[in-house]
Amino acid sequence: AQSVTQLDSHVSVSEGTPVLLRCNYSSSYSPSLFWYVQHPNKGLQLLLKYTSAATLVKGINGFEAEFKKSETSFHLTKPSAHMSDAAEYFCVAIKAAGNKLTFGGGTRVLVKP
Amino acid sequence: EAGVAQSPRYKIIEKRQSVAFWCNPISGHATLYWYQQILGQGPKLLIQFQNNGVVDDSQLPKDRFSAERLKGVDSTLKIQPAKLEDSAVYLCASSLDWGNRNTEAFFGQGTRLTVV
Repeated sequence: AQSVTQLDSHVSVSEGTPVLLRCNYSSSYSPSLFWYVQHPNKGLQLLLKYTSAATLVKGINGFEAEFKKSETSFHLTKPSAHMSDAAEYFCVAIKAAGNKLTFGGGTRVLVKP
Repeated sequence: EAGVAQSPRYKIIEKRQSVAFWCNPISGHATLYWYQQILGQGPKLLIQFQNNGVVDDSQLPKDRFSAERLKGVDSTLKIQPAKLEDSAVYLCASSLDWGNRNTEAFFGQGTRLTVV
């Protein structure tokens, strides 16, 4: 069975400092992996996706993520947090057989001025 | 490109009443998903359609929840009768390709249901 684990339910950072959101997956084979962001009262928006091409993936708003098969991880980073980054972030895995999306539990990011 | 449309945005009902949600996916998207997101949790898949056929409804509480996708386009999700624990945001999503794991899902803004 496929599962996705986000290691931190809450992350608090100061504006202008780096952000790290951790995600681990378990699967018998490499899935495709995505990070979505959800702002309050808004739908989920795709930040970036890994689809077995380059292991370092760049997304929107300065976010990037690195796929590490040996660690079964897909951590999301941003070098400098902005107040507008305050939101909930979801790591999502998908496998081709059925296009089923598996969500992590989410990480809520708080950005302090 | 128009996104995934959902209505209503908000709904408050009393327990044991019925409620229906509507979703219009992005044009041409074959796969449609309904997710339930309880406050503080990640979305949980309720049902997945491929065109107008059900691919996965293993987590749909079939004694009270039902869903259909007429003509493989719009979809409705119904709850009858509602329980307090059904209070959640119901998200609809769609994706383009069947069997292509490189295609992302696009989400609607959701319907926030409160059962009192």
